[in-house]
Amino acid sequence: EAEVAQSPRYKITEKSQAVAFWCDPISGHATLYWYRQILGQGPELLVQFQDESVVDDSQLPKDRFSAERLKGVDSTLKIQPAELGDSAMYLCASSLAVSHSPLHFGNGTRLTVT
Amino acid sequence: AQSVTQPDIHITVSEGASLELRCNYSYGATPYLFWYVQSPGQGLQLLLKYFSGDTLVQGIKGFEAEFKRSQSSFNLRKPSVHWSDAAEYFCAVADSSNTGKLIFGQGTTLQVKP
Repeated sequence: EAEVAQSPRYKITEKSQAVAFWCDPISGHATLYWYRQILGQGPELLVQFQDESVVDDSQLPKDRFSAERLKGVDSTLKIQPAELGDSAMYLCASSLAVSHSPLHFGNGTRLTVT
Repeated sequence: AQSVTQPDIHITVSEGASLELRCNYSYGATPYLFWYVQSPGQGLQLLLKYFSGDTLVQGIKGFEAEFKRSQSSFNLRKPSVHWSDAAEYFCAVADSSNTGKLIFGQGTTLQVKP
C-alpha cells in the first residue's frame, strides 16, 4: 500500500536555529496537510495545500513558519528560528481532491528544541 | 465552530474484555466523523468513517462505531480487545469549510492488561 513519506524521523535542534521537514504524499493525492501534534494532544492543522496553492494557513505562525509545495507534489515545512515551544510531532497527510476523502498520514517528524 | 471531545484521557481494559471509547462532537449539520489510531512514534491510521446512511459503521481490526445524532456522539467499540490494540485513539470531525480539514479530539490512550 502506498504511503506518505516524511523525513527526518527525529530532529534535535537548539533554539534560534533553523529546521526543515520534508513530505512526499501518496502519488495522485492533490491535497496535502501539515499538522502539529503536541505530546498528549490531538493533531492541529498548520497548513493545507491543494496542488501548489495554500488553502488554509490560518493557524500557521507566519513569523517563524513557512511551507511550500512548489510543483504540487512534495512539500517542505520550515521553522526559523525554532523556539522551545515548537517541540512536537509534525505530521504530514495527503488525500484525494474529493470531498471528505480520508487523510493518509506519514509517520511524522519528532522535533525536540533544546 | 466545530469541536470534538473525548472525555476519557486514559482507559485500561483487560485482554479479551469489551471496549468502548467515547466521542462527542459539536456540529450544526450532518457531520462527517472519523476514528484514527496511533501507535507510539507512528502516524495515524484510519479505523473507520461515517458519512451518512447506516449509523453503525464497521472498520478495520474488528472495530465498529455508532453515530447517535440525538446524543452528538460517535463512540468506538470492540467486543474483545487484544494486547496489540494498546495505542492512542483519536476521534475527528470534518471541518464545515468542506476543504477536507479534520478537527481532532485530544485522544484516548488505551492500555491493555494481560
